[in-house]
Amino acid sequence: DAKTTQPNSMESNEEEPVHLPCNHSTISGTDYIHWYRQLPSQGPEYVIHGLTSNVNNRMASLAIAEDRKSSTLILHRATLRDAAVYYCISTGANNLFFGTGTRLTVIP
Amino acid sequence: EAGVAQSPRYKIIEKRQSVAFWCNPISGHATLYWYQQILGQGPKLLIQFQNNGVVDDSQLPKDRFSAERLKGVDSTLKIQPAKLEDSAVYLCASSLVSSPIYEQYFGPGTRLTVT
Repeated sequence: DAKTTQPNSMESNEEEPVHLPCNHSTISGTDYIHWYRQLPSQGPEYVIHGLTSNVNNRMASLAIAEDRKSSTLILHRATLRDAAVYYCISTGANNLFFGTGTRLTVIP
Repeated sequence: EAGVAQSPRYKIIEKRQSVAFWCNPISGHATLYWYQQILGQGPKLLIQFQNNGVVDDSQLPKDRFSAERLKGVDSTLKIQPAKLEDSAVYLCASSLVSSPIYEQYFGPGTRLTVT
């Protein structure tokens, strides 16, 4: 499984878009890119995942670079409820190896 | 759809005591995971079950930790004897099958404090 690198923290104003970056330069061709988030005092929650193409769901969008060495999670309009630690995980199995993630602070 | 259930939510024990955690996964989910999350870190996989068989327990400290998933449904994780460094949140997760295309659903966790 490829190691991922994320900024330790980011801030966003409420109702503005947020772009959370992730580097996974050693990703293999069959590794998926997963994003989970963890709200305070809760277990992690699935956000989105993809392989090669950009993905959209009701929570977020995932933009994957053409060489797959990086990706960006996009929250289109941040709300206070989006304040959480966001984990980017690259894996070819269903084992998730969490790093320390990016702590997102949403400013009212 | 009911989520992953865990109990207890909190547990405080003294070092060298034993403790057990219980997990009930989402109905129909074949794969069950136990994670340990130490304060300030991301969750770390301890053990993965596929039905009632162990798929991966490479990160489980087997001298003191044990886990079982009888009948391929509920699971228990036990620590005996506990050490101070076992203080953490223990998370249970389940997924439909063991595949990177299926998401994992996490329970709320059990916060263990060892004094």
